[in-house]
Amino acid sequence: DTEVTQTPKHLVMGMTNKKSLKCEQHMGHRAMYWYKQKAKKPPELMFVYSYEKLSINESVPSRFSPECPNSSLLNLHLHALQPEDSALYLCASSPPGPGRLDTQYFGPGTRLTVL
Amino acid sequence: DAKTTQPPSMDCAEGRAANLPCNHSTISGNEYVYWYRQIHSQGPQYIIHGLKNNETNEMASLIITEDRKSSTLILPHATLRDTAVYYCIVSSGTNAGKSTFGDGTTLTVKP
Repeated sequence: DTEVTQTPKHLVMGMTNKKSLKCEQHMGHRAMYWYKQKAKKPPELMFVYSYEKLSINESVPSRFSPECPNSSLLNLHLHALQPEDSALYLCASSPPGPGRLDTQYFGPGTRLTVL
Repeated sequence: DAKTTQPPSMDCAEGRAANLPCNHSTISGNEYVYWYRQIHSQGPQYIIHGLKNNETNEMASLIITEDRKSSTLILPHATLRDTAVYYCIVSSGTNAGKSTFGDGTTLTVKP
């Protein structure tokens, strides 16, 4: 299995809703990432988990809450989002080893719309 | 991590080689050059990376200058499906998440 899967593909939610995005990989990668991407812009890093511990939080608002239950699974819990949070949310993973931590494998993304 | 500079857009004729340049004049000795591409509405795709030597895989070739201040990604026979945004990233590759995506180059392959 050489892919990163993300569910759902599309999500529409209201500003008072609570929802979760899910990401899964079975490549034995020990680093996993969440990115946010607005239209016509590069991906922006949000969170990094390394060996199931949160290692980087790029000053993301607390309405986004990441969780890494095990080495294969990464969740992003969403609560009280704003319309400006509408974007493509990308998950990625990377293998261990010198020079390989930035060899990231991306999922197809979840297209989120906040109404 | 060192910053990179890429042209915002390039065109290439189908079947010809596409040569995408990247400047990284402040690269450190332990930093790798990584290339990704993102086809419209898909997740980015890893293409290739290198430290000093030129690298080749089934997708592309990476040519790094001797002083390592610039590199070129070569798609030897571009097809319409290679139309995408190409990102050049410089990172030590030893700390997960330390690399950042710049604005990249939009490559348009034309028939």
